[in-house]
This record gives sequence, structure tokens and C-alpha cells, in this order.
Amino acid sequence: SAVISQKPSRDICQRGTSLTIQCQVDSQVTMMFWYRQQPGQSLTLIATANQGSEATYESGFVIDKFPISRPNLTFSTLTVSNMSPEDSSIYLCSVVVSHNEQFFGPGTRLTVL
Amino acid sequence: QQQVKQSPQSLIVQKGGISIINCAYENTAFDYFPWYQQFPGKGPALLIAIRPDVSEKKEGRFTISFNKSAKQFSLHIMDSQPGDSATYFCAAKGIISGGYQKVTFGTGTKLQVIP
Repeated sequence: SAVISQKPSRDICQRGTSLTIQCQVDSQVTMMFWYRQQPGQSLTLIATANQGSEATYESGFVIDKFPISRPNLTFSTLTVSNMSPEDSSIYLCSVVVSHNEQFFGPGTRLTVL
Repeated sequence: QQQVKQSPQSLIVQKGGISIINCAYENTAFDYFPWYQQFPGKGPALLIAIRPDVSEKKEGRFTISFNKSAKQFSLHIMDSQPGDSATYFCAAKGIISGGYQKVTFGTGTKLQVIP
């Protein structure tokens, strides 16, 4: 298994500002993922972050809006840039370990005013 | 083709009863089918998973039934307890495009177990 921590756990931000979310894993993992979960909804993949390469973004998500860093095998950040109320959501970090098992962090609950 | 359809959207079950959540998929490239349990304010937690080479997998009170020909799979929670009240997501994983695996999640089922 993998233990994932995220910071901050929640934040309230003003429109037009940016927030960087940190994800720390207790073991080295090749692939990390960032998801968005809007209230009462399913999980939507934002991007896949591999160490040492550019993140791969899903349709509808762009690097300028959601820049991602992956400096090593245990850490990643997701920035939500130039925020608007539509960005209010839960942002989840996730990793895949052996045997296809995917684990999620506790999430960052973002509210944009 | 990448969708995973999940039903029902919400479910209320009496304590001790059986909770059943169903999922269906289209893409035969999926080869791993996990279920996740999510409590309010928490991230999803892997509950149980199955591969298409078996028709059933049981872990404690949780059972996955898998019907490969119908491209359907379901989660059964036996002897449901109030502590099982959560949102459940099915998912399907496989190499879809670009040579790397993708996970597609169902829309979620909010389960409430009443005493």
C-alpha cells in the first residue's frame, strides 16, 4: 500500500489568485495522478505526472491553468492558477503501486470566492 | 466507449440487509475492476478489486460478481452496517490509448444503511 498526505487539507481563496497543493507519498512511485472531484460527483483525471518528464494532461485541462511539478519519486505539486469560483472542488493526489492498486490522498478542499 | 455506467445513484438499505451496486462497461480493453469506498471529507479508499478471469471475489462482507460476456460487474455488501454508509465508486482500468493504462470511474452510489 501507500500512504499519501496532502497540504493544505482545505483552503478558501479569492478569485484571481493561485494555490499550490502538495502531495507527499511514503514510498517511491513512478506515476502520480491528480484528480478533481466536484461536490457529489465522480473523479475526473486532470493529469498524470511522471518524474523527470512533463505532465500529461487530459482533455479539458491545460498546463497554464494547472501546472504540475514532479521533482522526485515521492513528491508532486499541483497549482490551480488564476482561480475562479468554478475551480471550487476537491483535488486528489493518487499513485499506483504494485498489482495495479491505486491509492488516493485525503484530498484538498478548495473554495474560491 | 470509455464510460463506466453505475447504478443506482443512491441506495437506502436496512441494517443487516444486502446492498447491491451495479456497473457496466463497453471497452473490452479494461482488465482490472476495482471498487472504492469514500467517506465524507476523505479520499477514496480501495475496497476490493477483480480481474476478468474470475467470476467472483469475496473479502469479508464484500463480494464482487463479474460477468465478462455481459460486461457487467457488481458489488454486494452482505449484512450491511451503518458504518458502511458512504459513497461507492466502481472503476475500470486498462490500456486504452497511448500505450498506458487509464482508469475510468463510475458516477458513484451513495449508500445509506439505516438502523
